[in-house]
Amino acid sequence: GNSVTQMEGPVTLSEEAFLTINCTYTATGYPSLFWYVQYPGEGLQLLLKATKADDKGSNKGFEATYRKETTSFHLEKGSVQVSDSAVYFCALSRASNTGKLIFGQGTTLQVKP
Amino acid sequence: ETGVTQSPTHLIKTRGQQVTLRCSSQSGHNTVSWYQQALGQGPQFIFQYYREEENGRGNFPPRFSGLQFPNYSSELNVNALELDDSALYLCASSPNGQLTDTQYFGPGTRLTVL
Repeated sequence: GNSVTQMEGPVTLSEEAFLTINCTYTATGYPSLFWYVQYPGEGLQLLLKATKADDKGSNKGFEATYRKETTSFHLEKGSVQVSDSAVYFCALSRASNTGKLIFGQGTTLQVKP
Repeated sequence: ETGVTQSPTHLIKTRGQQVTLRCSSQSGHNTVSWYQQALGQGPQFIFQYYREEENGRGNFPPRFSGLQFPNYSSELNVNALELDDSALYLCASSPNGQLTDTQYFGPGTRLTVL
């Protein structure tokens, strides 16, 4: 079946450190891939997305590249800030499941000053 | 432009009761999806409504049901509540229910079943 696996957290970094959160997926065909962020006490916000292989999604300094050969969509940021502390979810959506998002378990990021 | 809104914010019920959660979609969006997020987990897809018709359902029992109204707002109904139904219920709207549509999430309703 379709699934998303994320690295376990929490990930604790100092401000201005480099961030990588790993995400791999299992799906048939060509899913669309997403990163959502959830700040404490809030709903999910779309951070970035990629809809085909080799696409790079980017937003607010975050980037992720759709790698079909490794079935991965790792999230990166060159310099994290305290305000980036949140839970990050990787998700996929397949053509035969219109709009349905399949989420990973989430990775908590804590950034210390 | 008004975003996705949900009501109530918090709710406490007891086992066996019934609950109705409400969602107003973002202006111009005709598709609403509902997700259940247990504590410490990723959201799980419950079902989706597109132009007032159910357009896909996840692995949830029939006591989870829904409606979408002509103005594209939606309700999630849960009958015979169980302790495991305690979770954050998220509603998301999108323009046309297409694969690449961005889904815009509301803040959620926190349901506690005692």
